[in-house]
Amino acid sequence: GDQVEQSPSALSLHEGTDSALRCNFTTTMRSVQWFRQNSRGSLISLFYLASGTKENGRLKSAFDSKERRYSTLHIRDAQLEDSGTYFCAAEAGGGSGNKLIFGTGTLLSVKP
Amino acid sequence: EAAVTQSPRSKVAVTGGKVTLSCHQTNNHDYMYWYRQDTGHGLRLIHYSYVADSTEKGDIPDGYKASRPSQENFSLILELASLSQTAVYFCASSGGLGNTGQLYFGEGSKLTVL
Repeated sequence: GDQVEQSPSALSLHEGTDSALRCNFTTTMRSVQWFRQNSRGSLISLFYLASGTKENGRLKSAFDSKERRYSTLHIRDAQLEDSGTYFCAAEAGGGSGNKLIFGTGTLLSVKP
Repeated sequence: EAAVTQSPRSKVAVTGGKVTLSCHQTNNHDYMYWYRQDTGHGLRLIHYSYVADSTEKGDIPDGYKASRPSQENFSLILELASLSQTAVYFCASSGGLGNTGQLYFGEGSKLTVL
């Protein structure tokens, strides 16, 4: 079936550094969403993209508009509160029934 | 403020018992979903609904039933709970009209089956 491959599975950053997370899709996707799960388990919506890029503060996400086979999440000037598990989720086109396929997450740890 | 609320937030159940997880949304969304998250894994879709009084099977529906009595409410029912159903369950809602749109999650319900 359709798959979402997320990388890296874990990442450790020092405060103030930049990094990028990536999701690859085994098929063309209609849209992608990014979430952060905090230490309490809450899932916080970061971005929803049907194409192009979106930016919110130190976070920026892009969705490959041409082939629609990958998305990236860039973190600039990482802060301690950015720690958590980041999930991407993609919606396949056609008869997918408006279902999202989740990646297995990137565990991000930001250290002083 | 738009919200998705789940109850109970935590429950311990015995094997073979019945468990009902409830979800209420004030987003005025057509779509509602139930996901399951196992430790260290992503989310897997159990059931979803795009209109009241109708539910659809997701990717892992076996052992679960769902009920959507109104646009605002969506329940997940485990008729005979099993050990393998120990997990955190998330409800979510999103806009309709054939487009998933942005997903809004509840806070999760931690279920432990003993």
